[in-house]
Amino acid sequence: SQQGEEDPQALSIQEGENATMNCSYKTSINNLQWYRQNSGRGLVHLILIRSNEREKHSGRLRVTLDTSKKSSSLLITASRAADTASYFCATRETGANNLFFGTGTRLTVIP
Amino acid sequence: GAGVSQSPSNKVTEKGKDVELRCDPISGHTALYWYRQSLGQGLEFLIYFQGNSAPDKSGLPSDRFSAERTGGSVSTLTIQRTQQEDSAVYLCASSLTILAGGYNEQFFGPGTRLTVL
Repeated sequence: SQQGEEDPQALSIQEGENATMNCSYKTSINNLQWYRQNSGRGLVHLILIRSNEREKHSGRLRVTLDTSKKSSSLLITASRAADTASYFCATRETGANNLFFGTGTRLTVIP
Repeated sequence: GAGVSQSPSNKVTEKGKDVELRCDPISGHTALYWYRQSLGQGLEFLIYFQGNSAPDKSGLPSDRFSAERTGGSVSTLTIQRTQQEDSAVYLCASSLTILAGGYNEQFFGPGTRLTVL
């Protein structure tokens, strides 16, 4: 079963605006990752944050993690039309081999 | 090609038929995963291979699903007696050896879109 739930399910913004997506999960995790998926096919890894980290940056991406609330957020700053995609959070539970994916946020950036 | 490849990219089959989906992981990656993604949904873990260890089959939805990994490289996912609810995109991913308590990035293939009529 899926571990994470993402919010919102869909988000539409103007180019240049910031986009924030949230993810909540249920159990103890080793790390949390965000992936991007274009057109319902292969996923691309964006960023990973470990359970002992609170914030991480990569280019225009900023990820936060609050293990007490079992939640994470992904912020994309200065969005571009090319950022249009589905974004998934994925968690690796402590001791688990696989990733549990959230339900995803469909982001549309309007040029 | 250095990425994960999957074949076929699309497969249409009739209910009740068997299908085989293939995954070629990145060379040197010892870990291989199969996921399933139904329309508009997140990914559902199916099975995981790590080196010569016994696979983690905990995500397989029924005994109609099976997977093999030959020679620690190529993997095939077989679905027997396909049902309409098996229609989905089947994604394969590979990674380097999982570090104890750690992480290695999973690299995904483009997926196989399976349609069961």
